[in-house]
Amino acid sequence: DAKTTQPNSMESNEEEPVHLPCNHSTISGTDYIHWYRQLPSQGPEYVIHGLTSNVNNRMASLAIAEDRKSSTLILHRATLRDAAVYYCILKGAGGTSYGKLTFGQGTILTVHP
Amino acid sequence: EAQVTQNPRYLITVTGKKLTVTCSQNMNHEYMSWYRQDPGLGLRQIYYSMNVEVTDKGDVPEGYKVSRKEKRNFPLILESPSPNQTSLYFCASSIQGANYGYTFGSGTRLTVV
Repeated sequence: DAKTTQPNSMESNEEEPVHLPCNHSTISGTDYIHWYRQLPSQGPEYVIHGLTSNVNNRMASLAIAEDRKSSTLILHRATLRDAAVYYCILKGAGGTSYGKLTFGQGTILTVHP
Repeated sequence: EAQVTQNPRYLITVTGKKLTVTCSQNMNHEYMSWYRQDPGLGLRQIYYSMNVEVTDKGDVPEGYKVSRKEKRNFPLILESPSPNQTSLYFCASSIQGANYGYTFGSGTRLTVV
């Protein structure tokens, strides 16, 4: 499975933007970039995903590098409820990795009031 | 409300006593999967199913069984639980394909003594 690399932790202040980076230099042409987050004592929650173009939804934005070897999850205004572990994951479209999510250690985001 | 429902939320059992953790989804998703989460090891896939009567091993299948007789249900069976299966378990479902996000259940915390 193609791997992703994320910083272990990041900190932000409430109401400020947060940029969470992810490197995935071995991404294949058919892998989608997915982001999930896990709040304490809860199951992972889908945030956003994309293939090549930047994506926006009500939770966040996803900026994908032109060569697709890195991406950035953008939380436009962090709130205390955004404090969580954020996982960047490549979801395969074929072969043995079809449909599979392989979780790394993720980035622990701390939001300060 | 679209959701994945796991039961029970908490379970304490003794070594060797067979148990089943149920998982049900109401979104007509083809793909379902079980994960376990352990400190320092993150989330690891146990088994997955691409559709009714189609199941396959994930990364850590030893000691577990699954079945997919109906599209909505994907129970996880521990025939003879052991203490090393003490963990937090998550069920997830998705539309088939890499271009769709997963929905996770709230988790089942299992303790085997």
